[in-house]
Parts: sequence; structure tokens; C-alpha cells
Amino acid sequence: EPEVTQTPSHQVTQMGQEVILRCVPISNHLYFYWYRQILGQKVEFLVSFYNNEISEKSEIFDDQFSVERPDGSNFTLKIRSTKLEDSAMYFCAPQAPGEETQYFGPGTRLLVL
Amino acid sequence: GQQLNQSPQSMFIQEGEDVSMNCTSSSIFNTWLWYKQEPGEGPVLLIALYKAGELTSNGRLTAQFGITRKDSFLNISASIPSDVGIYFCAGQNAGGTSYGKLTFGQGTILTVHP
Repeated sequence: EPEVTQTPSHQVTQMGQEVILRCVPISNHLYFYWYRQILGQKVEFLVSFYNNEISEKSEIFDDQFSVERPDGSNFTLKIRSTKLEDSAMYFCAPQAPGEETQYFGPGTRLLVL
Repeated sequence: GQQLNQSPQSMFIQEGEDVSMNCTSSSIFNTWLWYKQEPGEGPVLLIALYKAGELTSNGRLTAQFGITRKDSFLNISASIPSDVGIYFCAGQNAGGTSYGKLTFGQGTILTVHP
């Protein structure tokens, strides 16, 4: 199972602040996915990213969210102006060619106060 | 959008008992996956199913991909305390802009009493 790291592991921020969550894949991943899990709820798809552009995004992924892979390695999720309801675990799940599914990173726990 | 209905929501069992949980969907998926999640961690892949009707085992775990591609079940035999956690089913799309996107069930919380 490919190992994926995410930073930070925890982040506490004030409402309205910008946060950047990072995912560092270990392999030659081409497809990248972000998911969100509000405490006690199911995992929800946010966005998929392939060939340096968004493939699909959910209704959750509004104008406050953006993703990019600035240096060809790290994959980032940015929330421009956080809201209380953005408090959740955020998981990165890259997928490499030839792999038929995704492996989840350990997640970033975001708390918006 | 696509939704998965997972049941039961929770189970309380004695160590040594067998467990069964299932997922149904109104739409077809190309791949069914079962994940386990422990507190504070990301989902860990247990079993992946790629063909309709496929029955796959991983140790004490057995899962099947329904013939209609709209359902799947997971069985755990002879449960042990470390089986405790939340089990999620997930359907995966294979083509178009939804390639690889996972849709998750609501989860089954499993508690095993020693």
C-alpha cells in the first residue's frame, strides 16, 4: 500500500482565515482526490484532479475551495475564507496508473472557531 | 447524486461471533470497496471487488460484489476485539470525469465485547 503523508495533522483557525492543507504522495500518482469527513458522518467526495486540472467537484467544493499541484509533487487544498462548517477531517487519496483504487492519507483535522 | 445505503448502522457483538453488513445503491458502480476506519485515522482499504458476482476473501473477511453491480456485502467471521471500528462501503466510478470518484455509505459502527 503506497504511503501518503498529509500536513498539518491538526489545524485550528479562526473563521474567515485561509488554510492550506498539503498532501505528499510517494509514488507516480496521476489522479488526486480530496475527501471530507465531518465528525461522526460519512466520508464525502470534494474534488478530483488530473493532469493539472479539476476533473470533477462536488457541491461542497464552492468558490472558497481550490486545489493545485504547484511543484509537481505536493498536492494542496486551499480554503480561502473558512467557515465554522468547514470543521472536519480532510483526506487526500491519490491514485497511480495501474492501481485500481485509492489509498487514503492519515488526514488533517481542521477546526474552525 | 449517487447514494449508498449501508446497514446496519451499528452492531454490538460478542467476541467470536460472525458479522454481516451490506450496502445497496440505486446506481451501478464498476468497483465496490470496503474500508475500515479507526478513531483519528483515515480509512484503510480491506477488500476491493472489481467484477459483478465476485466473491473475495481477506483472512476472516469475505465480501461479494452483487450481480446487478448495485450491492455488496461484507462478512467478518470469528470476530475479535481489534475488529472494532467503523466499516464503510464505497462505490467507485470508472469512466469520464467521474473516474475514480468514491461514493461512501454511512458506515457501520462495530463494537466487539470480549
